[in-house]
Amino acid sequence: QSVLTQPPSVSAAPGQKVTISCSGSRSNIGDEYVSWYQQFPGTAPKLLIYDNNKRPSGIPDRFSGSKSGTSATLGITGLQTGDEADYYCGTWDASLSDVVFGGGTKLTVL
Amino acid sequence: EVQLVESGGGLVQPGGSLRLSCAASGFSISDHYMEWVRQAPGKGLEWVARSRHKAVYYSTEYIASVKGRFTISRDDSKNSLYLQMNSLKIEDTAVYYCARESRAAGGGKNAFDLWGQGTMVTVSS
Repeated sequence: QSVLTQPPSVSAAPGQKVTISCSGSRSNIGDEYVSWYQQFPGTAPKLLIYDNNKRPSGIPDRFSGSKSGTSATLGITGLQTGDEADYYCGTWDASLSDVVFGGGTKLTVL
Repeated sequence: EVQLVESGGGLVQPGGSLRLSCAASGFSISDHYMEWVRQAPGKGLEWVARSRHKAVYYSTEYIASVKGRFTISRDDSKNSLYLQMNSLKIEDTAVYYCARESRAAGGGKNAFDLWGQGTMVTVSS
């Protein structure tokens, strides 16, 4: 049972937009910055978003992040088949003194 | 090239020990918080431990399930991070990733901007 809650799967057609939610509490998302990661099978995760909505160099602006209260959202526009991957949210939990991740969301581009 | 390379994984019996290493290149770990994150087969990411840098007294943090069994350490002179794992349990079976926390590189707090390729630890009799 993950501290942060994500939907197990989402799907959308190529070219469409999809959002992935990440729900937490005041001790984590509510008071801390959220990051998002993309992971392809058999490879290491890759940072997509940090500080709720900032993109590292090289990450296309098709990827966006937002936060409201104790929830965060990753948005992906102009979906491509190459976006099929697992996506994870993460943040610090001040009550646990731990970094916490969501359970992950598998994106399928139909 | 900026990279992290883990080593030391393998097959170990329950109750056994293993020491993982993470060699950094292209940057100095002395400026950074460094982390271990694991992923059990078919499961999600689970943060394991943190090593803060000298300015924060090399303090450490651990997930509850490994406290007292795992020890994270670093050797800034060798630009390397370590994870000593004792009293291993079957549920410790996972790919273990070394990661760099990004605040010192201009990125966010508690965001991991550089990851190694991972090393597999299998605990089985």
